[in-house]
Amino acid sequence: DGGITQSPKYLFRKEGQNVTLSCEQNLNHDAMYWYRQDPGQGLRLIYYSQIVNDFQKGDIAEGYSVSREKKESFPLTVTSAQKNPTAFYLCASSIVRDGSYEQYFGPGTRLTVT
Amino acid sequence: AQSVTQPDIHITVSEGASLELRCNYSYGATPYLFWYVQSPGQGLQLLLKYFSGDTLVQGIKGFEAEFKRSQSSFNLRKPSVHWSVAAEYFCAVGARSGTYKYIFGTGTRLKVLA
Repeated sequence: DGGITQSPKYLFRKEGQNVTLSCEQNLNHDAMYWYRQDPGQGLRLIYYSQIVNDFQKGDIAEGYSVSREKKESFPLTVTSAQKNPTAFYLCASSIVRDGSYEQYFGPGTRLTVT
Repeated sequence: AQSVTQPDIHITVSEGASLELRCNYSYGATPYLFWYVQSPGQGLQLLLKYFSGDTLVQGIKGFEAEFKRSQSSFNLRKPSVHWSVAAEYFCAVGARSGTYKYIFGTGTRLKVLA
């Protein structure tokens, strides 16, 4: 089955530690995205990548880093510089076809930092 | 500034009643328009999308939405709701070219009374 996997489902870390969230897709999509979701704030874009070895900051990139070494993988690192990292993180991918597109989402990772 | 407004944070309807969730957008040109649904602790699932053509679009699970250019709106409707559609609903807009990023609304949480 094609889809997007995010692991782990739940992640717990101590304050001051970096943590990497995994996102893998086997849909052969070119573009991938990371969002942060907080109650009452909808989804906010952290980083996105349209091709391998290239990525751009979204609206709330501070305290986060990404890499895109392979088409199917787009890991997100939450660094100790992120002031409020506890949130639900969603990865998405999309294909552009005939000028139209739509994003497909993974199941999410809930990160708790104490 | 580009934005998406979902004016209703919470909506409660009785099972069997009709449903309309509102979405208004502010954008430089007519964007692509999307509705997603999210069950608690899960990723987002695409319900329907509007790119061009007929302004009344049909989606999965019996949902439909109507694009009204003059009102900058893309409201989601369902003639008769079942308890199983209780979830959070997000409206999103995306550019017709360039980065293919979305802007999300803050969501509407739907509760269905038996």
